[in-house]
Amino acid sequence: DIVMTQSPDSLAVSLGERATINCRSSQSVLYSSDNKNYLAWYQQKPGQSPELLIYWASTRESGVPDRFSGSGSGTDFTLTISSLQAEDVAVYYCQQYYTTPRTFGQGTKVEIK
Amino acid sequence: EVQLVESGGGLVQPGGSLKLSCAASGFTFSGSAMHWVRQASGKGLEWVGRIRSKANSYATAYAASVKGRFTLSRDDSKNTAYLQMNSLKTEDSAVYYCKSEEGYWGQGTLVTVSS
Repeated sequence: DIVMTQSPDSLAVSLGERATINCRSSQSVLYSSDNKNYLAWYQQKPGQSPELLIYWASTRESGVPDRFSGSGSGTDFTLTISSLQAEDVAVYYCQQYYTTPRTFGQGTKVEIK
Repeated sequence: EVQLVESGGGLVQPGGSLKLSCAASGFTFSGSAMHWVRQASGKGLEWVGRIRSKANSYATAYAASVKGRFTLSRDDSKNTAYLQMNSLKTEDSAVYYCKSEEGYWGQGTLVTVSS
């Protein structure tokens, strides 16, 4: 199984400041035949279902604010919130969809400092 | 508007069975693989399993923790996916979400396994 490891487990950021979350996979999720990284990011706000933010490691889902961006390739990925807003308080998860089982990272809790 | 609505959760004793349903609308259900993901109280997300479309022979895959106990199925005529859970354990207690391959999630249904 591919193990997904996120860091940090939690972070507190001031409003308007940058938040950076890292995700590392135990093996590459870059599929050579299409040169795509099979990596998604999800946001789960308190008491809500998760929502898709980013897929193919860097493609924003429709309607997602452009302050959210994804980057990385192979085994190392980053989700960046360029200017943290109050509504961004949530737990963020990365997930690989390169193969089954479709493993998730353990989650990173983002709070306001 | 895409909607996924889970139902069928509840309280069941260890060793018991439960069948969850996920009713879909607003997208081409028959062409989409459907996944189930669970979340124990205060914990992270755990992928449970996936059933592919008819074009992909309804192929299924399961997490090791549920393989042999849980069974995925779907009825494309009803736009509904199912999760049959047998031999339930206390550690299966969680909110169970269905999720489309495109990334849409339901609101979840709570399963509690307890005596």
